[in-house]
Amino acid sequence: QSVLTQPPSVSAAPGQKVTISCSGSSSNIGNNYVSWYQQLPGTAPKLLIYDNNKRPSGIPGRFSGSKSGTSATLDITGLQTGDEADYYCGTWDNSLSAGVFGGGTKLTVL
Amino acid sequence: QVQLQQWGAGLLKPSETLSLTCAVYGESFSGFYWSWIRQPPGKGLEWIGEINHSGSTNFNPSLKSRVTISVDASKNQFSLKLSSVTAADTAVYYCARVFCSTLSCSNMDVWGKGTTVTVSS
Repeated sequence: QSVLTQPPSVSAAPGQKVTISCSGSSSNIGNNYVSWYQQLPGTAPKLLIYDNNKRPSGIPGRFSGSKSGTSATLDITGLQTGDEADYYCGTWDNSLSAGVFGGGTKLTVL
Repeated sequence: QVQLQQWGAGLLKPSETLSLTCAVYGESFSGFYWSWIRQPPGKGLEWIGEINHSGSTNFNPSLKSRVTISVDASKNQFSLKLSSVTAADTAVYYCARVFCSTLSCSNMDVWGKGTTVTVSS
């Protein structure tokens, strides 16, 4: 059971937009910044978004993040087949004094 | 550019101690936290803990009693030990650099390739 809650799967057609949600509590998302990671099959995770909505160098603008209260979302526009991956949200939990992740969301581009 | 190279035993018997090391190349070791994350087969990511160059640590409470994370700054390396392993500790173990922005310090921006650890009798 993950501390942060994500939908197990989402899907959309190429070129469309998809939104992945991440729900937490006041001890984590509500009082900390959220990161998002992309994990392509058989590879290590890759940082997509940090500080709720910032992109590291090299991450396309098709990926964007936002946060409201105790929830965060990752939006991916202009979907490509290469976007098929597992996506994880992560943040710090003040009660646990530890990093926490969501359970992951598998994106299928139909 | 910074690279993380990790290694360690891939097959353990129950009750043994898991031992992994991660070497940092191409970047200063100081000024960052360095973390360990694991991923059981077919499951999500689990944060294990982190350490900085001076040895300050944070741990996942569920693993804290069995985890040791240490650093050898002279070699730009940090290590993970997990004692009394069981089949539930079977996972891919990743080392990662913790990137601190001006706002937060829990973003893992550089990852090792992962080491598969299997616990089986």
